[in-house]
Amino acid sequence: EAQVTQNPRYLITVTGKKLTVTCSQNMNHEYMSWYRQDPGLGLRQIYYSMNVEVTDKGDVPEGYKVSRKEKRNFPLILESPSPNQTSLYFCASSFAGTDREAFFGQGTRLTVV
Amino acid sequence: RKEVEQDPGPFNVPEGATVAFNCTYSNSASQSFFWYRQDCRKEPKLLMSVYSSGNEDGRFTAQLNRASQYISLLIRDSKLSDSATYLCVVSSSASKIIFGSGTRLSIRP
Repeated sequence: EAQVTQNPRYLITVTGKKLTVTCSQNMNHEYMSWYRQDPGLGLRQIYYSMNVEVTDKGDVPEGYKVSRKEKRNFPLILESPSPNQTSLYFCASSFAGTDREAFFGQGTRLTVV
Repeated sequence: RKEVEQDPGPFNVPEGATVAFNCTYSNSASQSFFWYRQDCRKEPKLLMSVYSSGNEDGRFTAQLNRASQYISLLIRDSKLSDSATYLCVVSSSASKIIFGSGTRLSIRP
């Protein structure tokens, strides 16, 4: 089954404790991206990757890191989480770029206390 | 001004009604346009792409007006299952994509 898989689905952590949210897709998509969704603000792009070893900042990259060592995986790293990073996070992938349908993971609800 | 703006709603309409949403975008160089549907606490899913000539998929019709920089979504004969948040999505390049904050639709029996 074609899908984007994120883990964990839910996470509660403390300020400053490094964490990684994994994202994996099995559709051989080149383009992958991370979003956060907050009430009233919609989805905002954190980072994106056009292909392996190619990553770039989105609109809200501060406090986040990503890597793209393999085509299928695009982990999101929070080196020192803060309460303002409490949000619902989505990973997405698509062929080639943003002019194609994006397939989303089921989301990760992160709470930083 | 936001790059993509939508009326947040909520729109509360009776089953069987026709409802329309608009979405405006600020970048005249935008190339690709979509409507996504998002159910509560779920991931967004593509509803339909929006083409310059307009397109229809069953009860759903999408239109693009480049001169006025807006896209629209029309839902005819609305069903209870149409209750969701509808996200307007605009792409201005191969890497730049902007989501609207969504319009909430609630269909009542």
